Amino acid sequence: DTEVTQTPKHLVMGMTNKKSLKCEQHMGHRAMYWYKQKAKKPPELMFVYSYEKLSINESVPSRFSPECPNSSLLNLHLHALQPEDSALYLCASSQEPGLEYNEQFFGPGTRLTVL
Amino acid sequence: KQEVTQIPAALSVPEGENLVLNCSFTDSAIYNLQWFRQDPGKGLTSLLLIQSSQREQTSGRLNASLDKSSGRSTLYIAASQPGDSATYLCAVEWGGFNKFYFGSGTKLNVKP
Repeated sequence: DTEVTQTPKHLVMGMTNKKSLKCEQHMGHRAMYWYKQKAKKPPELMFVYSYEKLSINESVPSRFSPECPNSSLLNLHLHALQPEDSALYLCASSQEPGLEYNEQFFGPGTRLTVL
Repeated sequence: KQEVTQIPAALSVPEGENLVLNCSFTDSAIYNLQWFRQDPGKGLTSLLLIQSSQREQTSGRLNASLDKSSGRSTLYIAASQPGDSATYLCAVEWGGFNKFYFGSGTKLNVKP
């Protein structure tokens, strides 16, 4: 099973709302990632968790708060977002941090619209 | 500075043609390089991963090569089909730190 699942598929929220994105994988991967992708652009790395510890934070605003409750689950908590945060949010996982065979697998994404 | 470049940004070919997509990177000390396809509004699908010690990888009609000394990788697609139409992205990992640098992609259109 090489599947990464993400919920919800679509999310519309106001600037004062609090919501969460969820990502799950059951491949035994030990690294998990959040990316943001704007239209016609490549994915931009936001956060990396390696062995359930935050290892990379790409200077993301604090209105985005990641959480990794266990090795299979990754959340992204959203609060007081701006309209420019509207994008496709992609979750990915990879097998073993630090190995050359560190193939990334992506989920289908959550399409977020901030009104 | 570590950068990944993909040229051309868009490519249109007739069905059945063999084609090559290019990916260039600035630092030859890569850990691995991965090719993905992305359909509009969807997630990325992994096509091939080449480790730094490898020269090429093959999967079906796809063949990816890696030349670290020249800072280049190519994705060869044989006998292209309309279903191959998508954006193709390459991503490079340097240093084994789980930080992947993406090129801006090549949008491929295969005309029936």
